Amino acid sequence: EAQVTQNPRYLITVTGKKLTVTCSQNMNHEYMSWYRQDPGLGLRQIYYSMNVEVTDKGDVPEGYKVSRKEKRNFPLILESPSPNQTSLYFCASKVAGAGGDTQYFGPGTRLTVL
Amino acid sequence: AQSVTQLGSHVSVSEGALVLLRCNYSSSVPPYLFWYVQYPNQGLQLLLKYTTGATLVKGINGFEAEFKKSETSFHLTKPSAHMSDAAEYFCAVSEEYGTDKLIFGTGTRLQVFP
Repeated sequence: EAQVTQNPRYLITVTGKKLTVTCSQNMNHEYMSWYRQDPGLGLRQIYYSMNVEVTDKGDVPEGYKVSRKEKRNFPLILESPSPNQTSLYFCASKVAGAGGDTQYFGPGTRLTVL
Repeated sequence: AQSVTQLGSHVSVSEGALVLLRCNYSSSVPPYLFWYVQYPNQGLQLLLKYTTGATLVKGINGFEAEFKKSETSFHLTKPSAHMSDAAEYFCAVSEEYGTDKLIFGTGTRLQVFP
């Protein structure tokens, strides 16, 4: 089954404790992206990757890092989480370079930073 | 810069009534347009999309949307609401050329009353 998986689904942590949210897709997509969803703000892009070793900032990249060492994986790293990073996070993937192609989303990771 | 406006953060309808969720976009070039649905505690699922061709697009679960270039709109409709339609709906736009980025609206939560 074609899918995007994220782990963990739920995470409660404390300020400053480094964490990684994993994302994996099995559709051989070049393009992968991370979003955060906050009430009243919709989804905002954090980082994206056009292919292996090619990443770039989205609209709200501060406080986040990403890496793309393999085509299927695109982890999101919070090196020193803060309470304002409490949010619902989504990973997504699609075929690169085809704006009309569907972007497929993972199930989401709900992060709480205390 | 592209933007998406969804009028009404909350819409309530009775079961069996018409559903109308509004979406207006701004784009300097012909866009691709998407509607996604998010059921509680789930990721985003594509309802329908407009890329080229027929401006009336049919999607899953009886939803459809019409691309009106002159009005820069892509409103989502369903003739008869069902209780299972209760969810949050997001309109999104991407440009036709050179980008895979999706710009999302702030979402509309649909409630369906018996």
